[in-house]
Amino acid sequence: DQQVKQNSPSLSVQEGRISILNCDYTNSMFDYFLWYKKYPAEGPTFLISISSIKDKNEDGRFTVFLNKSAKHLSLHIVPSQPGDSAVYFCAASSIYNFGNEKLTFGTGTRLTIIP
Amino acid sequence: GAVVSQHPSRVICKSGTSVKIECRSLDFQATTMFWYRQFPKQSLMLMATSNEGSKATYEQGVEKDKFLINHASLTLSTLTVTSAHPEDSSFYICSARDWWQAGGKQETQYFGPGTRLLVL
Repeated sequence: DQQVKQNSPSLSVQEGRISILNCDYTNSMFDYFLWYKKYPAEGPTFLISISSIKDKNEDGRFTVFLNKSAKHLSLHIVPSQPGDSAVYFCAASSIYNFGNEKLTFGTGTRLTIIP
Repeated sequence: GAVVSQHPSRVICKSGTSVKIECRSLDFQATTMFWYRQFPKQSLMLMATSNEGSKATYEQGVEKDKFLINHASLTLSTLTVTSAHPEDSSFYICSARDWWQAGGKQETQYFGPGTRLLVL
């Protein structure tokens, strides 16, 4: 039962353009969402997060949008740069697990930025 | 700061043998460590959560007698795959966090680089 889904396994975007990565979830108990970036042979590194009390969070070139009614979130990267080429994982958690914060991950989207 | 290492980075073993994977937090004290497994083209699946000095909490479907987890110190957790079989071949990743410093923030979970296990 995949509670967090990233339906696009790969995405190619021209350098300088906007990259949009999507994520859907099914568990309505999730109320905190994170995006991680992963390079080959390295562990995931935290990128940006959003709480369910917000619908947008911005950090530099990265913006995450949350649509609770649709159980959908997206990560926007603008402008896209070659160093953004990596696998991006969406993850979700719940405050009801406070003290035992489990992350439920999506399957990842491989983003390739074309110079 | 907040570096997590794993050793070994890859291991090949024969079916029936046991393999130990180490996860270390290098510059912080990890009150909690998590062990994940990732099969090709699948998501990271949480296997177990371990708090320093106490028994690990395993996710449903994960055999605790097969995947032995020890978190004896604030900087080291080990995962031992006992009597490994080819179906245990996977990418194992640990993460660590200092619960007190985290302030409840989920993003303060730092991941190791992973260990690729191949069982022949």
